[in-house]
Amino acid sequence: SQQGEEDPQALSIQEGENATMNCSYKTSINNLQWYRQNSGRGLVHLILIRSNEREKHSGRLRVTLDTSKKSSSLLITASRAADTASYFCALRGAGSYQLTFGKGTKLSVIP
Amino acid sequence: DTGVSQNPRHKITKRGQNVTFRCDPISEHNRLYWYRQTLGQGPEFLTYFQNEAQLEKSRLLSDRFSAERPKGSFSTLEIQRTEQGDSAMYLCASSLRWGTGSDEQYFGPGTRLTVT
Repeated sequence: SQQGEEDPQALSIQEGENATMNCSYKTSINNLQWYRQNSGRGLVHLILIRSNEREKHSGRLRVTLDTSKKSSSLLITASRAADTASYFCALRGAGSYQLTFGKGTKLSVIP
Repeated sequence: DTGVSQNPRHKITKRGQNVTFRCDPISEHNRLYWYRQTLGQGPEFLTYFQNEAQLEKSRLLSDRFSAERPKGSFSTLEIQRTEQGDSAMYLCASSLRWGTGSDEQYFGPGTRLTVT
């Protein structure tokens, strides 16, 4: 099965700045999802973008998908200390309901 | 709280022992998934149920692992003859079959297994 690869592996920013993380993959997908994980809350679904969509917004989150480049990016605007967490992209391939996760980007937002 | 629950939260066992974990999904969700996560890695898919039917199994799932969802509600994951390499966080997730948001998976807090 395919695996998404997040970049960068770690990111440290000041509160109020924007954070951008990227995900690249190798085969065709049905949809791509972003999840957040921190020690207090476990894995939480953030946003889903389907293969026929190019951009989606949810609050301070913006996700783009470029299927020709097989890549996605997650932008968090006006970051807060509470955004400190690991962020994973998860791929759902055609004909399957399993999600394949990358290794994640560890985001640290400094107050 | 009507989220996904998992029990126990922590399990320490000796190598060679059998362990069983339980997952209670969100009540209206008929899809249930098991994943395994080790330190520094993302979750790895193990298996998926739609109602009581086990529809997908990962090649990672050796014959020492078995999962059931007998009445299409809660699920159990059993590991027989545990090995140190089985030490990990075991995550359960559930999702709806139909409708808006049906691909979003809701994760439980996990069961952390330590094999000594």
